[in-house]
Amino acid sequence: GQSLEQPSEVTAVEGAIVQINCTYQTSGFYGLSWYQQHDGGAPTFLSYNALDGLEETGRFSSFLSRSDSYGYLLLQELQMKDSASYFCAVRGGGFKTIFGAGTRLFVKA
Amino acid sequence: NAGVTQTPKFQVLKTGQSMTLQCAQDMNHEYMSWYRQDPGMGLRLIHYSVGAGITDQGEVPNGYNVSRSTTEDFPLRLLSAAPSQTSVYFCASSSAGAFGNTIYFGEGSWLTVV
Repeated sequence: GQSLEQPSEVTAVEGAIVQINCTYQTSGFYGLSWYQQHDGGAPTFLSYNALDGLEETGRFSSFLSRSDSYGYLLLQELQMKDSASYFCAVRGGGFKTIFGAGTRLFVKA
Repeated sequence: NAGVTQTPKFQVLKTGQSMTLQCAQDMNHEYMSWYRQDPGMGLRLIHYSVGAGITDQGEVPNGYNVSRSTTEDFPLRLLSAAPSQTSVYFCASSSAGAFGNTIYFGEGSWLTVV
């Protein structure tokens, strides 16, 4: 089966850097993705790692270590609009994509 | 520029009623899926499809049926609605292949079963 673990809540101040971790168990692995969801909205894609290492997209970076079944999302220069839920997701065997329970990020002024 | 379109956006059902949530995508994506999201929770996979005529069960398939007769459409049927099926439902699609795993979501359907 597949399962993912990520912290339920993280709080940070505006302008800071925050890291959201994700560990996973999967019977097959094609990649780790990250999604952002604001209250009342649909999840939107942030980044994807299929290979080990760091992927950078603007203020967001994502890291993957396949040997450790671990990844993280790094958000820099936090803004109030970054307050949202962040989900890691694994595409595993059969190309099923399973999501973690989500991390609620609160950005304080 | 439609992407993934799902209807209805809001629906109230009585226990035991059946209904179909419609989903269509115009990106020619091979993969389509349905997720449900309960308050404060993550997305749980109900059913998914890797192409027309092919469907498979996800994490929480009981009480739901799907079919995929065309690439574009992937309706979700609730057979006999129960209060436990009160949730927000998201239809999603993505292209095939191990890389470029971007999932596009519809705007969601808020379903209440009373």
